[in-house]
This record gives sequence, structure tokens and C-alpha cells, in this order.
Amino acid sequence: TQLLEQSPQFLSIQEGENLTVYCNSSSVFSSLQWYRQEPGEGPVLLVTVVTGGEVKKLKRLTFQFGDARKDSSLHITAAQTGDTGLYLCADSYSGGGADGLTFGKGTHLIIQP
Amino acid sequence: KAGVTQTPRYLIKTRGQQVTLSCSPISGHRSVSWYQQTPGQGLQFLFEYFSETQRNKGNFPGRFSGRQFSNSRSEMNVSTLELGDSALYLCASSLRTLTGELFFGEGSRLTVL
Repeated sequence: TQLLEQSPQFLSIQEGENLTVYCNSSSVFSSLQWYRQEPGEGPVLLVTVVTGGEVKKLKRLTFQFGDARKDSSLHITAAQTGDTGLYLCADSYSGGGADGLTFGKGTHLIIQP
Repeated sequence: KAGVTQTPRYLIKTRGQQVTLSCSPISGHRSVSWYQQTPGQGLQFLFEYFSETQRNKGNFPGRFSGRQFSNSRSEMNVSTLELGDSALYLCASSLRTLTGELFFGEGSRLTVL
């Protein structure tokens, strides 16, 4: 059974600061997805990365996929209060015998004004 | 376009009762999956339906069941409720099974007393 470990579990910083959160897998990712979940809502997909070493940018968010495809990081530059939420990484299995997405437990991020 | 709609949003039940939750996917999406979210375990995959057939099932007891109708709407049922079933139940729809982007509803928050 694949295990996804996310760190830190909780992070509270001031607006304008930079931060990085991490996702590590016990096995090679099939494809890695990052979601953000705001209070009272369901998760929303931010990005999907597939290729080892891949870097994707989404405005102030930079997603990096490790060369060995077992780890990933999410870096936020100049955090804003709107970035507050639960950041989840997930892996999906393709092909037969899939078990649905496997999620990490997430990083709870609070950006204070 | 309309998003994923889940009903009811909140409900309170007592131990031993049963509950039925409903999910209407995005129009055109034939895959519907269900997840349980708790603070301790995070998001865990329950099951996935595609064209009225259960394609995959997570590691949950038989008290958890579901079905999908010809219009792709889905229901999940939990019988003989236990205190530990208190959770946010999230439904997600997708164009493809498991490997594509998941669009989540806002969830149904179940409290078992």
C-alpha cells in the first residue's frame, strides 16, 4: 500500500513570506496531483505532474517533481491570505486494479495578515 | 457549468441508523467516486462508479455501499452507523476513470451521536 507523507503538517506564516511544503511517497508516483481545500469546500486540483524533474508554475505557486518521481514540493512566493487552506498531494494509479486516488494527510497552511 | 452537487450538506444521525447521501456529477461526467475525510485518516477512497458499474472499491466494510443511476447521479449508503463514521463524505466526478482530474463537491458532513 502506497503511503504519502506530507510535511509540515501545520504551517502558519505572515503574509508576504515564502514557504515550501513537501510530499514524499513510499513508492514511485504514477502521476502526482496537488489539490487545495478551503474550509467548507471540496478539494480543487491545482496541478498534475507526470515526468520526473518536471517543474510547473501557477502564478506564485511552483511545483517540482523529484527526478526519481518519489517526492514533490510546492513553493509559494509572497504568500497571501487567500492561499490559506489544506494542501493535499495525491497519486493516481492507471490501468487495472486501481484503488482511486491515494491522498496524503495534507499541510494545513494559514497565512496571517 | 454547474459543479458537483452533494446533498444533504449536513446531517446528524444516531448509532445504528442508516444514511443515504446523494451526488450529482458535472454534466457529461460518467465517473463518480466517493471519499471519506476525517482529521485522523485524511481522505480515503470508498468506491468509484462508471456507467452504473462499480469499478473499484476501497478498504471499507460492507456497511458502506453505493450505486449509480443511468443519469450518472450516484448515492452512497452507510448502514448500522458507528461513531467512527462521523466524517465529511466527498463525491468527485471525472471524465475518465481515476486518472483524470477530479472535480469535488462540497461534501456531506455526517455526525453520528
